[in-house]
Amino acid sequence: SQQGEEDPQALSIQEGENATMNCSYKTSINNLQWYRQNSGRGLVHLILIRSNEREKHSGRLRVTLDTSKKSSSLLITASRAADTASYFCATGVTGGGNKLTFGTGTQLKVEL
Amino acid sequence: DAGVIQSPRHEVTEMGQEVTLRCKPISGHDYLFWYRQTMMRGLELLIYFNNNVPIDDSGMPEDRFSAKMPNASFSTLKIQPSEPRDSAVYFCASRPTGTGELFFGEGSRLTVL
Repeated sequence: SQQGEEDPQALSIQEGENATMNCSYKTSINNLQWYRQNSGRGLVHLILIRSNEREKHSGRLRVTLDTSKKSSSLLITASRAADTASYFCATGVTGGGNKLTFGTGTQLKVEL
Repeated sequence: DAGVIQSPRHEVTEMGQEVTLRCKPISGHDYLFWYRQTMMRGLELLIYFNNNVPIDDSGMPEDRFSAKMPNASFSTLKIQPSEPRDSAVYFCASRPTGTGELFFGEGSRLTVL
């Protein structure tokens, strides 16, 4: 089964609004990463947060991690039409070697 | 750098045929991963290599699947014989030691009729 489950499965917003996606996972992790996938393309790494970090920023992206709740959120501020894509969380599981396990993804649509 | 290069980008074949997917990782990256993406199962890790050695192949679905990495700049994923349920997008990704970030190729979309 998937280690990570994203919520919501799909999200539609207007340009300029903020988008928040959530990820829940099941086991202890070393790190959690977020990736973006445009339709028909490969995944692109956005941000990595380690298990001892609680929040991280990169440009318009803000990621939080709550290891007690086994959850993470990705916030995209001031969204643009170009942000339309699927977003996946991925976890590096403690004791899992170098495996990275991906969640189910959130499809984000940003409308003009 | 050109990034991770996969070929072919699209492959349509008939059930029972052999399929070979190819990957060239980013130079200097010593980890290489093969993933499969389907609507039903999402992204699944099939196998990964470190310094050309297979480390974990527990995700390989069955004996019809095999993967090799004869050198640091080339890997193949072979399916023989192929079946319609193998239809998926197959991704190759690489990364250097010491980082967690994966660099993905554009994928190979396989359709088995």
